[in-house]
Amino acid sequence: NAGVMQNPRHLVRRRGQEARLRCSPMKGHSHVYWYRQLPEEGLKFMVYLQKENIIDESGMPKERFSAEFPKEGPSILRIQQVVRGDSAAYFCASSPPAPRETQYFGPGTRLLVL
Amino acid sequence: ELKVEQNPLFLSMQEGKNYTIYCNYSTTSDRLYWYRQDPGKSLESLFVLLSNGAVKQEGRLMASLDTKARLSTLHITAAVHDLSATYFCAVDGTDKLIFGTGTRLQVFP
Repeated sequence: NAGVMQNPRHLVRRRGQEARLRCSPMKGHSHVYWYRQLPEEGLKFMVYLQKENIIDESGMPKERFSAEFPKEGPSILRIQQVVRGDSAAYFCASSPPAPRETQYFGPGTRLLVL
Repeated sequence: ELKVEQNPLFLSMQEGKNYTIYCNYSTTSDRLYWYRQDPGKSLESLFVLLSNGAVKQEGRLMASLDTKARLSTLHITAAVHDLSATYFCAVDGTDKLIFGTGTRLQVFP
């Protein structure tokens, strides 16, 4: 059973470009979470999605950031017009459909904005 | 707002010694997680603590939870170099995890 998959693992963008981060949850998992980790800090919750629904986006910046989890395909975290402060590691986690199950983390995407 | 604090932030310890990492949280929660992160890597789940008084052990690591005191501990027994990593506690904040700041552990000979 493959774990949570994320790609790309490393992404370099120039200021003003767009970044697209992908996350494929574990088989059988229908809940996806995105977290951001700034250098030398803990993880901060961004958004929680189920298939075709955003359940909680309270941790997502109001501008430039969006997330989706379509019926088919991976979850996408999209950052428009990136700035240097967006440089961070972005982790995706997934969990089974049952309430409050353990979240399993992917390897992360390390975004560097030049 | 649920807040999670860990201490110490940095811990340098000699092989063979014992030490405890503390995790305090600000509001009621009955589920707490401990994760390990190696540099440049993802998070590895170590323990899930589900009730007051829960204690779990795996190798040289033992975790406990006191929900009344809003405190969890991660105890390291007879540390070895392979335990060098950053350890995070995380509290269930209703559909999301609230992470502590992390404790960077370095074990030296």
